[in-house]
Amino acid sequence: GNSVTQMEGPVTLSEEAFLTINCTYTATGYPSLFWYVQYPGEGLQLLLKATKADDKGSNKGFEATYRKETTSFHLEKGSVQVSDSAVYFCAPAANDYKLSFGAGTTVTVRA
Amino acid sequence: NAGVTQTPKFQVLKTGQSMTLQCAQDMNHEYMSWYRQDPGMGLRLIHYSVGAGITDQGEVPNGYNVSRSTTEDFPLRLLSAAPSQTSVYFCASSYSGRGDTEAFFGQGTRLTVV
Repeated sequence: GNSVTQMEGPVTLSEEAFLTINCTYTATGYPSLFWYVQYPGEGLQLLLKATKADDKGSNKGFEATYRKETTSFHLEKGSVQVSDSAVYFCAPAANDYKLSFGAGTTVTVRA
Repeated sequence: NAGVTQTPKFQVLKTGQSMTLQCAQDMNHEYMSWYRQDPGMGLRLIHYSVGAGITDQGEVPNGYNVSRSTTEDFPLRLLSAAPSQTSVYFCASSYSGRGDTEAFFGQGTRLTVV
């Protein structure tokens, strides 16, 4: 099965700072790669995804590029806002539907 | 749109009690699953279903049972609760088993076993 190593948190930033959350994975074949976000008190929701090598997923100012050669899918945002405070999960998915989640990275953005 | 609905949102059980966590989706998704979320461990798959009448075990199935009699519902049963089952439980669904398919999650059930 797949496994994920995700940058440990918590991460605390000031508004407008640059955010990077590292994610590397091990997998059989070429999985699709997802970032899910969990806002306080809510379930997870899809933030972005990439389905093949060199694809870039983007949403809400966040970006991540599928790097097959380094088996990585690092999440970046150039200027964070207080509303970006959440827990972020990296998740590769094989074609058997099962998602493998990283431990999650808690991000807190201060005004 | 309701999406994935989980009930209850909070529950406290005594060791040895049984209960059922409910999960319903209104998107006509074939695939449904249960995860538990524990600090520092991400989400771990408990059981999943690829369609009505079909279920299978995930990574951490011990102590849990599931059934899938309809497309909409996928309840998770704890037969004899243990403190180790204290966790936040999430139900998820997706329309396909393909790896590029988005999963939709419920808001979670926070369970405490004392």
